[in-house]
Amino acid sequence: ETGVTQSPTHLIKTRGQQVTLRCSSQSGHNTVSWYQQALGQGPQFIFQYYREEENGRGNFPPRFSGLQFPNYSSELNVNALELDDSALYLCASSSHTGELFFGEGSRLTVL
Amino acid sequence: RKEVEQDPGPFNVPEGATVAFNCTYSNSASQSFFWYRQDCRKEPKLLMSVYSSGNEDGRFTAQLNRASQYISLLIRDSKLSDSATYLCVVNVGGSQGNLIFGKGTKLSVKP
Repeated sequence: ETGVTQSPTHLIKTRGQQVTLRCSSQSGHNTVSWYQQALGQGPQFIFQYYREEENGRGNFPPRFSGLQFPNYSSELNVNALELDDSALYLCASSSHTGELFFGEGSRLTVL
Repeated sequence: RKEVEQDPGPFNVPEGATVAFNCTYSNSASQSFFWYRQDCRKEPKLLMSVYSSGNEDGRFTAQLNRASQYISLLIRDSKLSDSATYLCVVNVGGSQGNLIFGKGTKLSVKP
C-alpha cells in the first residue's frame, strides 16, 4: 500500500455535470499530482500542487481545476463533463526524492 | 511524433523466457527516466529508475542511451507474476510530478 487514498473509487455521471475527486497524500508528502488514464493509454499529467499552489499543468482545458489543502490533501474538479472525460483519474504524492506514489484511482464513467 | 513511444505489444512468453521492452523519447532535454509496472485495473508502481550507466535489480536490467534517446528494459527468467503492463516514463524537467508516460506494453507470461 502506498498510503495514498482516493475517493470515490467508482462513479457515474452524465454529460454536462460536475465532479469532484479527492486524494489524501502519503504522510510527509507535500506534493500532489493528478493524472488521467484513458482505457488502453498511459497516464497523462493534468497538474501538480505543491504547498497549496499549482506547480505545473499539462494540456488540459480550464474546466479541469484543483485545490490542495493545508494538510496536503487535494481535490480535482471537472466541470461540464464530456464523454471523453471517462477515464481512471490517478493521484500521486511525492516527497523531496521525487518518487511518485500513486493511489488506486477513481474510475469515472460519463454517460 | 509521440513524446514517449513503446513497442505496441502484447508480448506473450513462456515462463523462463527473456523478454526485452524498447522505448524512445522525443525530448532531448529529458532529465530522468523510469519503468513503471501496472497490473490490470491497478495503479502504476515504480519498477526501477534508469541511469545512463545502466542498472540492474535482480532479474531486471534497464539501459539508457541518451544519444539515441532510447530506453530498454530486460526481464530474465520470466515469472507468471511478471504479467503486467510496463510503462516507459520520462521526466522532461520542471515539476517532479510532470512525468510523460508511454502507452505501455502488456506482458503475459504463460506456464
